[in-house]
Amino acid sequence: GAVVSQHPSRVICKSGTSVKIECRSLDFQATTMFWYRQFPKQSLMLMATSNEGSKATYEQGVEKDKFLINHASLTLSTLTVTSAHPEDSSFYICSARALQGNIRGGNEQFFGPGTRLTVL
Amino acid sequence: SQKIEQNSEALNIQEGKTATLTCNYTNYSPAYLQWYRQDPGRGPVFLLLIRENEKEKRKERLKVTFDTTLKQSLFHITASQPADSATYLCALARSYNTDKLIFGTGTRLQVFP
Repeated sequence: GAVVSQHPSRVICKSGTSVKIECRSLDFQATTMFWYRQFPKQSLMLMATSNEGSKATYEQGVEKDKFLINHASLTLSTLTVTSAHPEDSSFYICSARALQGNIRGGNEQFFGPGTRLTVL
Repeated sequence: SQKIEQNSEALNIQEGKTATLTCNYTNYSPAYLQWYRQDPGRGPVFLLLIRENEKEKRKERLKVTFDTTLKQSLFHITASQPADSATYLCALARSYNTDKLIFGTGTRLQVFP
């Protein structure tokens, strides 16, 4: 159980186009989903926290107008990179926290397999 | 500044030996700490969580220690196998009330036969 999927797994696009990445919790409901970005040989950097039915909370330095997040249901969150540029090329990973079973201090996050974005 | 440091150099060990990975942090007082495994081109997979009031946690061949005085966590894999080769990430949560995890850069472990 606790499987998170991402689609697409890999995308190559031209500079200036927008790219949408989907994150789905397949066998559980997720109140909260997180979007991370990981550059080569670097740590995962949290971009934003997404709660179902409300606006996402962005980390400092992350442009909310560039990285649009929609958490429309308890099993789906999307990240849209608008007007992508080569510097946006990265590995984007989502994670989800289950609706139930969040034991105090538990906070286990289930990660998706990631999406490799390459902007030419 | 706040930092989470993991040994950036790869750790190479022989099959059957115990691998020990280190996670040091400064300027944090984390409520709990987690360890994840990440394979190339994949998302992290949760391994173990240890709370601030716990000294040690075990799961099968894995053991995690947490020393809040030293501000350090050690991650051990006993009887290591080539299949254990991966990058291992530590992540801190500042409090029980937050979902945010702050990740270290990870240490690449290579277990050779």
